[in-house]
Amino acid sequence: GQNIDQPTEMTATEGAIVQINCTYQTSGFNGLFWYQQHAGEAPTFLSYNVLDGLEEKGRFSSFLSRSKGYSYLLLKELQMKDSASYLCAVRSNQAGTALIFGKGTTLSVSS
Amino acid sequence: DGGITQSPKYLFRKEGQNVTLSCEQNLNHDAMYWYRQDPGQGLRLIYYSQIVNDFQKGDIAEGYSVSREKKESFPLTVTSAQKNPTAFYLCASSTGSGETQYFGPGTRLLVL
Repeated sequence: GQNIDQPTEMTATEGAIVQINCTYQTSGFNGLFWYQQHAGEAPTFLSYNVLDGLEEKGRFSSFLSRSKGYSYLLLKELQMKDSASYLCAVRSNQAGTALIFGKGTTLSVSS
Repeated sequence: DGGITQSPKYLFRKEGQNVTLSCEQNLNHDAMYWYRQDPGQGLRLIYYSQIVNDFQKGDIAEGYSVSREKKESFPLTVTSAQKNPTAFYLCASSTGSGETQYFGPGTRLLVL
């Protein structure tokens, strides 16, 4: 089967750095995605990793280790607007190009 | 403007009633998807379609049906067989290779 685990909640302060971890078990792994979702809204795409290593995009970076079934999303210089849920999702060749999502990590940023 | 539209934003269903949620995209994407999100939960896959006139069941397809007669449209019908339909329904689309899925704004379905 497939399983994706990420922490339920995290808290951090403005200007800090936070790392949100995601571990997964899946057969036929074919990519890992991170999405941001503000309350009541649709998810928005943040990053995509298919090879091992770090992908950097502005204040956000995502890392993947396929051998460990592990990824993290790194958020730097936190802002209040970064308070949201962060969803880790995996694509496997078991379901075409559809994604299997974890339950999400709710990040609260305080001043 | 290219994007994905879903309508209506809110939908109310009476007991025993079938309702249809609309999803349209003008991104020229081959693949389209329907997910369901319950409070405090991640997204769960209902149905997906890689190409016109073809679709596959996801993890929670029971009580739902879809059609894909046109590339730009992928409507979802919530049938009376779905006993717990109250949720936030999200439609998404991607290119055939699926590097990035883009989501519509969602439809909230409530049962009266």
